[in-house]
This record gives sequence, structure tokens and C-alpha cells, in this order.
Amino acid sequence: DTEVTQTPKHLVMGMTNKKSLKCEQHMGHRAMYWYKQKAKKPPELMFVYSYEKLSINESVPSRFSPECPNSSLLNLHLHALQPEDSALYLCASSQFYNEQFFGPGTRLTVL
Amino acid sequence: AQSVTQLDSHVSVSEGTPVLLRCNYSSSYSPSLFWYVQHPNKGLQLLLKYTSAATLVKGINGFEAEFKKSETSFHLTKPSAHMSDAAEYFCVVSPAGGTSYGKLTFGQGTILTVHP
Repeated sequence: DTEVTQTPKHLVMGMTNKKSLKCEQHMGHRAMYWYKQKAKKPPELMFVYSYEKLSINESVPSRFSPECPNSSLLNLHLHALQPEDSALYLCASSQFYNEQFFGPGTRLTVL
Repeated sequence: AQSVTQLDSHVSVSEGTPVLLRCNYSSSYSPSLFWYVQHPNKGLQLLLKYTSAATLVKGINGFEAEFKKSETSFHLTKPSAHMSDAAEYFCVVSPAGGTSYGKLTFGQGTILTVHP
């Protein structure tokens, strides 16, 4: 299985809602990543987990809260988001910081 | 520190003609270099990678890239464009070490348009 899956594909939420994005991989990769991508821009790194521990936080606002329950799963909990947080959220995984494999993304709209 | 410059924000070709997408990089360490493709509203797909083995790298869908250390370039080519190649392409650098280990640096992207 060489796939990274993400759910949901689309999410619309209000500024007071709490929601979660989910990412899963079964390639045995020990590094997992969250990226945010705005239209016509490259992805921006948000968080890196290595061996289920948070290793990089790119100064992301606390309204985004990552979680890595096990080596295959990565969640991104969302709370009190702003309209400017609307974007495509991409998950990726890699083995020992080699090439990263990306999921299809979750298109998030904050109203 | 590392950086990536994609020299063209848009490239337009006719179907069946060659494709050239240009990328220059800088890195404090011997880098790994990648090209990714992104179709509209999709994730990124790895096309090919350079990791200090052969300087001419072959990827999927007929793409290839040549690593030229003296020119700090990693241009992406394809002999004959197909309509399905229309997408956005990202040149990406990953350092082999240092404090940025594991952090990818993306170019700004090149949008490839293929005309019938």
C-alpha cells in the first residue's frame, strides 16, 4: 500500500466549530507532516512528527492542534478558526526524511 | 540555508512538443532534489528524485531531470507533451543534514499548459 489517505475531502465549518482532519498511511513511514496550501502557492509546512513525537512546529497558531495517536495516524484538530485559514490541508509521510508522499488533501472552508 | 527558484511561472506548449521546466537551487548541504506535480484540487505526486547517484534521473510519465552541480540547476524535461501533463509543477529541495533536516523547500511552482 503506497497511499496516504485523508478524510474528509471537503469541510465547511463556522468560526466557533471544532472539527478534525484525519490522515492515514500504511507504508511504515515514521515521519508524518501537515502542510497548508493557499491557492496558487506552494505548500507551507505546519508540523512534523517523527516517531510519533512532535519534532517541528512552524509557529502555527494554537487554534491548530496536531495529534499522532500511532505510527499510522495523524490528526489535525481545528478550533475557532478564521476565514483566512481556508485552504487545502495536505498530509504527507516519509521514511527517514527521504521523499515525502502526499495525500489528496482536505479542502477547508471557514465561514 | 537553502532556496529554490523556478524560472518560469507559466509555460505553454503544444501537444507533442518538448517540455522544459527550469529550476535553480542553493543549499548549504549536498541536497536531495525532487520534482512534484499537482493537478487541480489534488495532492502532490512525486515525479522523480535526485539523491547523489546518477545525475540524469528518469521519472514517471516520461519525465526526466538532469542535476548540474556547476550550474546549480535541476531542470525537468519531457520529449513530447501530452494533454494530461497540464498541471502545476514544483521543484523541491531537501537538505541531507543540518538543522533543516526533513524540511522541504518548495519553488513557487510552474503552471504547464498544453494546447491541442
